[in-house]
Amino acid sequence: GEDVEQSLFLSVREGDSSVINCTYTDSSSTYLYWYKQEPGAGLQLLTYIFSNMDMKQDQRLTVLLNKKDKHLSLRIADTQTGDSAIYFCAESINYGQNFVFGPGTRLSVLP
Amino acid sequence: EAGVAQSPRYKIIEKRQSVAFWCNPISGHATLYWYQQILGQGPKLLIQFQNNGVVDDSQLPKDRFSAERLKGVDSTLKIQPAKLEDSAVYLCASSLALQGVPYEQYFGPGTRLTVT
Repeated sequence: GEDVEQSLFLSVREGDSSVINCTYTDSSSTYLYWYKQEPGAGLQLLTYIFSNMDMKQDQRLTVLLNKKDKHLSLRIADTQTGDSAIYFCAESINYGQNFVFGPGTRLSVLP
Repeated sequence: EAGVAQSPRYKIIEKRQSVAFWCNPISGHATLYWYQQILGQGPKLLIQFQNNGVVDDSQLPKDRFSAERLKGVDSTLKIQPAKLEDSAVYLCASSLALQGVPYEQYFGPGTRLTVT
């Protein structure tokens, strides 16, 4: 079955770059997503990448996809204290079905 | 645009009792999802509706969980009887279409269930 893995914790200094990594098992994934969850709130979609792309950049966010290694990463440039949250990697298999989320990476930004 | 609404926000029940959660999706969103998020884990999809039909309920424990989406708008998720391991946050999400690019889900704030 599908499985998505992430490291559970990441701590960075304000102003540095953060890199959050994710690995997935299903090679038939169509879209891969990054969601952000702040305390007491629901998940918010940050960005997504289609499976035939290698990279996507959106302001401070850069997503890299290595299909061969089934590895996805999210880079946040100039990390701010407001970026402190849990970040979830997710995949969908059939264009909007079979969503599978990873366990989440808790990002702590130190002043 | 109003977001996805869920109620109640918090619920405490004893094991073997019943509980129901309500979700009102964003107006016009055809697809509705229920997720279970256990503390420290990512959300797990329980059921997905397209309008009032079920698209995927493969991970729904059907012996105790049920869900319906009458008239293709609001939805309720019920647990009967509850077990200790059902303690979790239940998230509702909605999306504009089953197949869309990009395929974005909008999440509600969730209902935190504690079973004692």
